Amino acid sequence: AQSVTQPDIHITVSEGASLELRCNYSYGATPYLFWYVQSPGQGLQLLLKYFSGDTLVQGIKGFEAEFKRSQSSFNLRKPSVHWSDAAEYFCAVGLSGGSYIPTFGRGTSLIVHP
Amino acid sequence: NAGVTQTPKFRVLKTGQSMTLLCAQDMNHEYMYWYRQDPGMGLRLIHYSVGEGTTAKGEVPDGYNVSRLKKQNFLLGLESAAPSQTSVYFCASRGSVGEQFFGPGTRLTVL
Repeated sequence: AQSVTQPDIHITVSEGASLELRCNYSYGATPYLFWYVQSPGQGLQLLLKYFSGDTLVQGIKGFEAEFKRSQSSFNLRKPSVHWSDAAEYFCAVGLSGGSYIPTFGRGTSLIVHP
Repeated sequence: NAGVTQTPKFRVLKTGQSMTLLCAQDMNHEYMYWYRQDPGMGLRLIHYSVGEGTTAKGEVPDGYNVSRLKKQNFLLGLESAAPSQTSVYFCASRGSVGEQFFGPGTRLTVL
């Protein structure tokens, strides 16, 4: 069965430090890959997506993610975290064709210390 | 371009009452989804639709019904609300490469 794993439930970083959030998936083929961010009391907002081509994708708010087929990973990175980045981050995976039902990870809560 | 909107934003029901949550999108998307989000449970798919007039069950459909009479609208109904349905409900639509556009959510409390 397809699955998405975000190993870290919580991550705490200091403002200005670099960030990497992990995402691993289990699929037979190369899926579509996404990262979403959810600020408190808000809906989910798309940060970035990968569906083909360059394995390093740039997103909004200074985030980037790298697709590594050999590791079945799609980790999210940011070189310098801002206090406003504190939020919940979700990795999601989808397959093309048929009824499109993406699978979401459980989320990683990012805490930013001043 | 409003994207995905949801009404109402908040609602308190008593056990056994009914209500309908409305989702609207102005992006001409075919696919629409209803999720619930509970602490520690992530997002769980309730129902989804692949086009006007179609609906299908997701992971947790019991106690909910849906309708997609118009392409831009996707309604979620609770016929007889239960405390276990206290949650935050999100509607989403699907973009051209599978990305989803989410509404702001409806916070529902069932007493």
